[in-house]
Amino acid sequence: LAKTTQPISMDSYEGQEVNITCSHNNIATNDYITWYQQFPSQGPRFIIQGYKTKVTNEVASLFIPADRKSSTLSLPRVSLSDTAVYYCLVVYPRGSARQLTFGSGTQLTVLP
Amino acid sequence: NAGVTQTPKFRVLKTGQSMTLLCAQDMNHEYMYWYRQDPGMGLRLIHYSVGEGTTAKGEVPDGYNVSRLKKQNFLLGLESAAPSQTSVYFCASSPKVWNTEAFFGQGTRLTVV
Repeated sequence: LAKTTQPISMDSYEGQEVNITCSHNNIATNDYITWYQQFPSQGPRFIIQGYKTKVTNEVASLFIPADRKSSTLSLPRVSLSDTAVYYCLVVYPRGSARQLTFGSGTQLTVLP
Repeated sequence: NAGVTQTPKFRVLKTGQSMTLLCAQDMNHEYMYWYRQDPGMGLRLIHYSVGEGTTAKGEVPDGYNVSRLKKQNFLLGLESAAPSQTSVYFCASSPKVWNTEAFFGQGTRLTVV
């Protein structure tokens, strides 16, 4: 059974590094793992995407172990404006097709 | 550059009524998606399209129909609305293969009474 699990919420202080982990067993072997950010009353916004090991862009890093059963989004030095819900998005095989599945989201609250 | 535009932004329907949600993208993307978002459940894929004239079912397709007659537009239809379809609906588009960077619209908040 495809299941994608994230912590419901996390609190952090400004300037700290935040790591959010998503667990996803048996995802498709040839598809990316993607993370999105969502503010209230807005659509999700792409943050970062990776296939394996580590990916870094100007806003975040993504760590993916070799077994690809989890992924960790790392936000360096968060600010108040990083308060949002963060979702992982993975692909599960479904017979000959594939199924896009979002995690249930992690509410990150950054405190001053 | 508008990106992904959804129409309408808000709507209240009575049970049994029908309506169509319109999604338009101006990025010449091949893939388009319709999601619904409910509290505590994240986003669930309703239907998607891999190109003009093609559609496919996602995770929760029952009660919805879609059409992609033009590459830039993806329509989501509710033939007979039910209270269980009260949700926020998001449309998204992406350039090509699965799971590349997708661009989302601002959402449509639908209430069925």
